[in-house]
Order: sequence, then C-alpha cells, then structure tokens
Amino acid sequence: AQKITQTQPGMFVQEKEAVTLDCTYDTSDPSYGLFWYKQPSSGEMIFLIYQGSYDQQNATEGRYSLNFQKARKSANLVISASQLGDSAMYFCAMRPFSGSARQLTFGSGTQLTVLP
Amino acid sequence: DTGVSQNPRHKITKRGQNVTFRCDPISEHNRLYWYRQTLGQGPEFLTYFQNEAQLEKSRLLSDRFSAERPKGSFSTLEIQRTEQGDSAMYLCASSFTESLTEAFFGQGTRLTVV
Repeated sequence: AQKITQTQPGMFVQEKEAVTLDCTYDTSDPSYGLFWYKQPSSGEMIFLIYQGSYDQQNATEGRYSLNFQKARKSANLVISASQLGDSAMYFCAMRPFSGSARQLTFGSGTQLTVLP
Repeated sequence: DTGVSQNPRHKITKRGQNVTFRCDPISEHNRLYWYRQTLGQGPEFLTYFQNEAQLEKSRLLSDRFSAERPKGSFSTLEIQRTEQGDSAMYLCASSFTESLTEAFFGQGTRLTVV
C-alpha cells in the first residue's frame, strides 16, 4: 500500500517569491512514480510535474521543480516566481510500477495563496 | 471542447435515491478512470477501464456503486440508494497510454445527498 502525507494544509507566498510545498510518501514498492497536481476552484486536476523513482535528476518543468530525496522519501514541489494564478490546491500523488499501477494515491493537499 | 466532459456538474439528491453520472473522455483515449474526492481530501481511486473492460475496482466501490463503459467511449457511474456519506466530488480522467502523466481530468460532478 502507498501513503502520501502533506503536512501543510495552507501556505501563503508573496507574488514573485519562491515557495516549497512538502510531500512525504511511504511505499514498499521498489519502483514508483511521483506526481504533483494543481486543482483550481473550477475542480479539474491539472498535471504539473512527474518524477520516477529511478530518475537520477530532479524533474523540472518551467517554474516547477521537484526536490526528490529518495532516502528521506520526500518529493517537495518548488514553485519559483509565484504568480497570482498559482493560487489553488496542490496535491502530491504516487503510483507503483507493479500491482495497482493504474491507481494514483493522493495526499490531502495544500492550499496555496499567492499574495499581491 | 476537446477536454474530458462530466455531466451533470452538480447534483442534489435525497437519501435513498439513485443517481447516475456521465463522463465523456477525450475522443481517442481508450483508458478511463473514476475517482472520488471528499471535502478537504485528495481524490481516491474508484475504478479503471481499458476500452469497455473494467480492469480494476477499488474496495471503495461498494455494491451500491456500478460503473460501465459499454462501447469503450463514454462511461457512467451509478450510485444506488444514496447515503449522506456519498456526498463528494466524482472525478473522471482519461488517457491514451498507461502513462498517467498524460491523463486529463474533467471538472467533476459534485454530489450532495440531503
């Protein structure tokens, strides 16, 4: 079984500043994938960034980067140069590469508010 | 509109009634997923279809829940004898490959059971 823990229910950041959203995970699977999603008030989950457990380098996607520390089982999302449009719920998720490979397990999310 | 479409967007029903939701995936996507999201929580996996075959079901999908994808295109999720605990957002996603990085979600159906 997989478990995702997001310990920050809410975060505030000043516009143009960087912010880190925490995510820790627990799994017994030797290989897995880690995801971050953004959920605006309209409801849809928007995929942001992905990290495979065997990827040597941390993933980056525009202003998003994933700080992956495998030994600590953490996969924090870093958003650089925050914009007002970044205000949303952010979810960390994972899937194993075996067994229930089609199932994403999500954390409880972090509500990010970007202040002008 | 070429995204994943879910209808209705909102549904209020009385306890004990049956409800059905519809999901229209992106047209070339043969994989379809249903998730449930309760207030303040992340989505939880319910079920997965590849074409018309339902290949995975969560233990969350009790006997009162049934999902179908009869022709491998749109899917329906039915809840019989609704309970207040069924109140949630029901999200549908679709993808063309098994890579979940390429899955797109709809805006969900919000169910309120009164």
